[in-house]
Amino acid sequence: GQNIDQPTEMTATEGAIVQINCTYQTSGFNGLFWYQQHAGEAPTFLSYNVLDGLEEKGRFSSFLSRSKGYSYLLLKELQMKDSASYLCAVRSRPWNTGFQKLVFGTGTRLLVSP
Amino acid sequence: DSGVTQTPKHLITATGQRVTLRCSPRSGDLSVYWYQQSLDQGLQFLIQYYNGEERAKGNILERFSAQQFPDLHSELNLSSLELGDSALYFCASSVSTGGTLNTEAFFGQGTRLTVV
Repeated sequence: GQNIDQPTEMTATEGAIVQINCTYQTSGFNGLFWYQQHAGEAPTFLSYNVLDGLEEKGRFSSFLSRSKGYSYLLLKELQMKDSASYLCAVRSRPWNTGFQKLVFGTGTRLLVSP
Repeated sequence: DSGVTQTPKHLITATGQRVTLRCSPRSGDLSVYWYQQSLDQGLQFLIQYYNGEERAKGNILERFSAQQFPDLHSELNLSSLELGDSALYFCASSVSTGGTLNTEAFFGQGTRLTVV
């Protein structure tokens, strides 16, 4: 099976930096995605990691450690519009199927205050 | 606009009824995923199709079924509806090459189903 854990809620101040953690347990790991979702809207893609290390993309960075089953999303220079849920998703290819699944964590609701 | 189209956007129906949700993937995407998101809940994976064939199944109820047609659009059928089935249903599509490429899933705007 698959298990993905994220904090339920986080708060931060405009202009600050926040780190959202994600831990996972899966077999056949084949990539980790971060998505942003505003309430009632579709999730939108933020970042992708398949190898260990840091991927930077503007104000957003994502880190992966496959040996620890751990990832984080780092948001810098927070803006009010960053208030949203952030979803960690793990892609895996179970050994007995050969096909990939994409499973999401429950998401972290981030509230950015002035 | 992600390129993934879902219809209808909103659906209100009574308990015990059956509904069909439709999804048109992005042009060129062979893989379609269906997810259910209840109020303040995460995305629950239901089922995945690739080029017309079922590839992966999540916690999909027996009352629910799906299929992907030769033109690659997909339908999710929900029957004997219960109040607890009220949720946002998202469809996503990806190229799904099977490798480690960054083939992220693109989401449609969802269908909001309300069972009364």
